[in-house]
Amino acid sequence: QQQVKQSPQSLIVQKGGISIINCAYENTAFDYFPWYQQFPGKGPALLIAIRPDVSEKKEGRFTISFNKSAKQFSLHIMDSQPGDSATYFCAASTSGTYKYIFGTGTRLKVLA
Amino acid sequence: DAGITQSPRHKVTETGTPVTLRCHQTENHRYMYWYRQDPGHGLRLIHYSYGVKDTDKGEVSDGYSVSRSKTEDFLLTLESATSSQTSVYFCAISQGGVPYEQYFGPGTRLTVT
Repeated sequence: QQQVKQSPQSLIVQKGGISIINCAYENTAFDYFPWYQQFPGKGPALLIAIRPDVSEKKEGRFTISFNKSAKQFSLHIMDSQPGDSATYFCAASTSGTYKYIFGTGTRLKVLA
Repeated sequence: DAGITQSPRHKVTETGTPVTLRCHQTENHRYMYWYRQDPGHGLRLIHYSYGVKDTDKGEVSDGYSVSRSKTEDFLLTLESATSSQTSVYFCAISQGGVPYEQYFGPGTRLTVT
């Protein structure tokens, strides 16, 4: 019940296309859902996050869509660029625990 | 990397030897975490700290111990390193509250031969 399932494992997108990464969870106590971006040799960096009281959050080309009833959330990268090529992790947390459960990651490659 | 340093950045050690990794923060954040990252497993929590001398286990704590004697430092010790502990180790910090973002350090690549 503590798992966060992330798909796909890898993704190849053409420059200018839309990249979509999906995550699903079981624990309905989760109430904070961040996405992290990691470049090779670097630590993960917080990209965008959402709480379940909203269904969508947008920051620039990055959008989180949240479906509470389906217990799913997804990251959309609009107008994908080669510089977006990285590994993306979703995570989930419950208020008061201060601990994250991470998905297994998606390696995105954007072709020029 | 949000005022977080990890040392060493790379280490090769032999099976059975003790190893200590250090995480140092300049942000005065209350919470500190140790994760390991392995292909196909994402990031898994080893131990975390919610204050000086206050620590708790994560999901993969066997074979690891931690200590936090100062707010700024969080040490991860492999008592007797094994090849299965070859991994990239990340430290993270959080000031808690809502929202409680975690910020990650640059990582330590550990190879146990």
